[in-house]
Amino acid sequence: DGGITQSPKYLFRKEGQNVTLSCEQNLNHDAMYWYRQDPGQGLRLIYYSQIVNDFQKGDIAEGYSVSREKKESFPLTVTSAQKNPTAFYLCASKGRESEKLFFGSGTQLSVL
Amino acid sequence: DQQVKQNSPSLSVQEGRISILNCDYTNSMFDYFLWYKKYPAEGPTFLISISSIKDKNEDGRFTVFLNKSAKHLSLHIVPSQPGDSAVYFCAVRAGGGNKLTFGTGTQLKVEL
Repeated sequence: DGGITQSPKYLFRKEGQNVTLSCEQNLNHDAMYWYRQDPGQGLRLIYYSQIVNDFQKGDIAEGYSVSREKKESFPLTVTSAQKNPTAFYLCASKGRESEKLFFGSGTQLSVL
Repeated sequence: DQQVKQNSPSLSVQEGRISILNCDYTNSMFDYFLWYKKYPAEGPTFLISISSIKDKNEDGRFTVFLNKSAKHLSLHIVPSQPGDSAVYFCAVRAGGGNKLTFGTGTQLKVEL
């Protein structure tokens, strides 16, 4: 079955620690995205990538980093510089033929 | 500065009646509009979309209306069912762009 897989489902971060959220897709989509959802707020764009080895900052990129070494994978690192990392993180992808984003099931990140 | 607003954080409707969810946007350059449905701890799923060249699109129980002069988008669900209870997000795309901007969401509760 084609789809987007995010792991882990739940993740805990200690103060000063970097953590990496995984996102893999087998939909052969060129574009991939990371969004963050906070209670009572919409989805806010962190980073996106339209093609391998290229990515752009979204609206709230500070404290995050990404890489796009393979078409299938778009990992997100939450660095120690992100002072309020507790949120639900969503990865998405999009094919060239459609305007629709397809989302993974999300990762809930919490701070210990 | 929020470009996409969903002014009703919640909506309660009786089963069988019509649910109307609203979305307002500020930028006339937005040319494609989508609605997503989201259950807790899951990724959003695509519902229905409309391009700026149309003013209405239907898919089964779901109809999206676009009023470009008012910069207003609405989603009608009729008849509403208990399984429709979820958070609904509108999303917009700027002309030729490759990213979506989401509203803050409306929690719909369909009561028996």
